[in-house]
Amino acid sequence: EADIYQTPRYLVIGTGKKITLECSQTMGHDKMYWYQQDPGMELHLIHYSYGVNSTEKGDLSSESTVSRIRTEHFPLTLESARPSHTSQYLCASSDQGSYTFGSGTRLTVV
Amino acid sequence: KNQVEQSPQSLIILEGKNCTLQCNYTVSPFSNLRWYKQDTGRGPVSLTIMTFSENTKSNGRYTATLDADTKQSSLHITASQLSDSASYICVVYDRGSTLGRLYFGRGTQLTVWP
Repeated sequence: EADIYQTPRYLVIGTGKKITLECSQTMGHDKMYWYQQDPGMELHLIHYSYGVNSTEKGDLSSESTVSRIRTEHFPLTLESARPSHTSQYLCASSDQGSYTFGSGTRLTVV
Repeated sequence: KNQVEQSPQSLIILEGKNCTLQCNYTVSPFSNLRWYKQDTGRGPVSLTIMTFSENTKSNGRYTATLDADTKQSSLHITASQLSDSASYICVVYDRGSTLGRLYFGRGTQLTVWP
């Protein structure tokens, strides 16, 4: 069973709303990641963290922000959602090169 | 330009048949190559991980091969089942940086028909 949990699984929200996608892991991994994936496309790294109080932007520019106050928790926030933010967001954590992915949040902004 | 290319983009086979998926990569340096299975609406799940010194690795009905000289890998699925319907993603891992970096292919969408 997955030790990394994402909520909600699906979210439909109106333009301009603020949203937070939750990601939690119970493995004690220091490194955590957020990826964005559109249908039929590769995963793109949008944020990562080396540990508590560490956050960095990834390869793909994103208007989202992240925080890492606790090792197990790595939430992603969009202050004002837009239709262009419609995508699947995958959270992951790693230890010594071994990655575990969450089930993802499918976000639709209408 | 994506450094991991997969073919075919999609594939339909009948239950019980075998199939082979291809992956070419240009990522350098290269630490290992991974194949993941991603069911619709789920996160990727690891099938195999191979270092440059390994030519083949099996996980049940899944067998991956790697030719580090030509930078090619394949994933062979034997006696396909309906539950094999998923996207299969080739991923190259570069351990070179402090973070470690995964380079993803776009996946091959496999559909198994009864």
